[in-house]
Amino acid sequence: DTAVSQTPKYLVTQMGNDKSIKCEQNLGHDTMYWYKQDSKKFLKIMFSYNNKELIINETVPNRFSPKSPDKAHLNLHINSLELGDSAVYFCASSQSGFNQPQHFGDGTRLSIL
Amino acid sequence: KQEVTQIPAALSVPEGENLVLNCSFTDSAIYNLQWFRQDPGKGLTSLLLIQSSQREQTSGRLNASLDKSSGRSTLYIAASQPGDSATYLCAARNSGNTPLVFGKGTRLSVIA
Repeated sequence: DTAVSQTPKYLVTQMGNDKSIKCEQNLGHDTMYWYKQDSKKFLKIMFSYNNKELIINETVPNRFSPKSPDKAHLNLHINSLELGDSAVYFCASSQSGFNQPQHFGDGTRLSIL
Repeated sequence: KQEVTQIPAALSVPEGENLVLNCSFTDSAIYNLQWFRQDPGKGLTSLLLIQSSQREQTSGRLNASLDKSSGRSTLYIAASQPGDSATYLCAARNSGNTPLVFGKGTRLSVIA
């Protein structure tokens, strides 16, 4: 039933590790996004994919690598995790076109020890 | 560069009151503006999206307005209920392949 689903919901890991967060949407949307919400609750775009192609990359370190195997999935892989990566990561999707509302997943809370 | 500000950061009202949440943006050349609700530990729920050509949008007890010339949008909530307690975020989108730019949100508490 869930429109945009992310796994895992919580991720606790040590500095230096590599981890992945998965996102799937069953809304038939063409565009998917990753956002980061920091400790001050400020939400910022990281990446946007349209039809599996990268269209927005907002100066994110190259330790973050999104991968879109198909239009319904946009996974986020993070290498060499740092303390500053601790945040809540949200996946979202929308139909193509800039006048379409975005639909969000429930977020993945990443904590780096 | 677009910047979005929401004031106040937090607001507490008694149940039944009508209230207005404010959002201001620096670049008036927006394509659209979207209001979201975020519950603790949850993602964002889209409430209303206003296109640049529109002045307002309504959904149930919610009414969002847009004044591009003054760089402001408001979200009006009628007859507030405890279930309306959440953080409300507004986000502006400029034209082209530009991302949504979010404000920091207003945390609303409706007291029964």
